[in-house]
Amino acid sequence: DARVTQTPRHKVTEMGQEVTMRCQPILGHNTVFWYRQTMMQGLELLAYFRNRAPLDDSGMPKDRFSAEMPDATLATLKIQPSEPRDSAVYFCASGLRSSGSTDTQYFGPGTRLTVL
Amino acid sequence: AQKVTQAQTEISVVEKEDVTLDCVYETRDTTYYLFWYKQPPSGELVFLIRRNSFDEQNEISGRYSWNFQKSTSSFNFTITASQVVDSAVYFCALMNSGGYQKVTFGIGTKLQVIP
Repeated sequence: DARVTQTPRHKVTEMGQEVTMRCQPILGHNTVFWYRQTMMQGLELLAYFRNRAPLDDSGMPKDRFSAEMPDATLATLKIQPSEPRDSAVYFCASGLRSSGSTDTQYFGPGTRLTVL
Repeated sequence: AQKVTQAQTEISVVEKEDVTLDCVYETRDTTYYLFWYKQPPSGELVFLIRRNSFDEQNEISGRYSWNFQKSTSSFNFTITASQVVDSAVYFCALMNSGGYQKVTFGIGTKLQVIP
């Protein structure tokens, strides 16, 4: 049963600290999405990668957030420096996008981030 | 621009009742995809169904059924004989068919099934 995995599941940190969240997409998937979920904003798309290339990161605060895919099995989302307003659940999703078809996004369990 | 409206923010039903979750969408695309996801209290987002805009056949999967009506831009989800395990937040989502397939999520409907 292939699943998206995310680490850590929970993270508590102090304002100003660097936070790195990791995602392992489902093997064979070529798209990766990062979302942030808060009570106020719901699910917001932060970044979208296809074949490891960033196609859209317009949802990310550029000054403090960065997203990368060092290889096909690892996606990272980094916040530096973190702020209390970054407290949220961060989801990673992966899918398989091929010519002429669309992909369904399969979500990981999320990382619950609390910035004090 | 794409938009998904889930007008019901919270619904409570008694176990074994049927319940329908509404979803209305807006898009200028002629080809698009609709989804439902379930988020139980444990927090993960579970994919339930995907529907293509050119396939208006209703679908049934066990106690779950989906009614897709292009004429009213709706993609409603019905749970028959609800169970406590159905308690969750349910999200409707819309994906365009272009090169960049961005997904727009509704705000979610929280369903509480009371024993």
